[in-house]
Amino acid sequence: DAGITQSPRHKVTETGTPVTLRCHQTENHRYMYWYRQDPGHGLRLIHYSYGVKDTDKGEVSDGYSVSRSKTEDFLLTLESATSSQTSVYFCAISTADTQYFGPGTRLTVL
Amino acid sequence: AQSVTQLDSHVSVSEGTPVLLRCNYSSSYSPSLFWYVQHPNKGLQLLLKYTSAATLVKGINGFEAEFKKSETSFHLTKPSAHMSDAAEYFCVVSGVLGQNFVFGPGTRLSVLP
Repeated sequence: DAGITQSPRHKVTETGTPVTLRCHQTENHRYMYWYRQDPGHGLRLIHYSYGVKDTDKGEVSDGYSVSRSKTEDFLLTLESATSSQTSVYFCAISTADTQYFGPGTRLTVL
Repeated sequence: AQSVTQLDSHVSVSEGTPVLLRCNYSSSYSPSLFWYVQHPNKGLQLLLKYTSAATLVKGINGFEAEFKKSETSFHLTKPSAHMSDAAEYFCVVSGVLGQNFVFGPGTRLSVLP
């Protein structure tokens, strides 16, 4: 499972509140990713990181920010959650040519 | 730019019959291609990958896929479906070094007893 954990695994929050999701890896991989999964869309890239303090935007980055202050942790923040951000969020790491995914966080914004 | 089309949103087969999940891709350079499986309320598990070696790729649980450049296809097959194969399957195309993964929309496989 590439040593990836995500927390929390489930969260229910209200519109307008800030939310932070955490991804933690134990194998010192350089690249880390945040995706969201919605029916009919597969997974879409939100942000990714290519090293400590090095991040870039993905396809659906609006409304999200990320931070990576340590190699092992990659945080995804919704500054002010909206109902359209209700989704399942997956973190991933990449090895030489493959990505491996965490167990996911189910986020519901009421 | 890269893209992936999964031609069927839902496939239903009987247990013991063959499985065919179709995937076509578009890429401006030699792609790497992957199939991932997601069981209900679970994460994504790598089934198999093609990275410019043998065009027929064998994966876990009896699945295999064949890369056909002339048809820009990477269809997933299994000779005999098992109930435990019921899941969502994603075809993915990527660029170099495992970056820039582009997912298809997924195919839900149902296996009937």
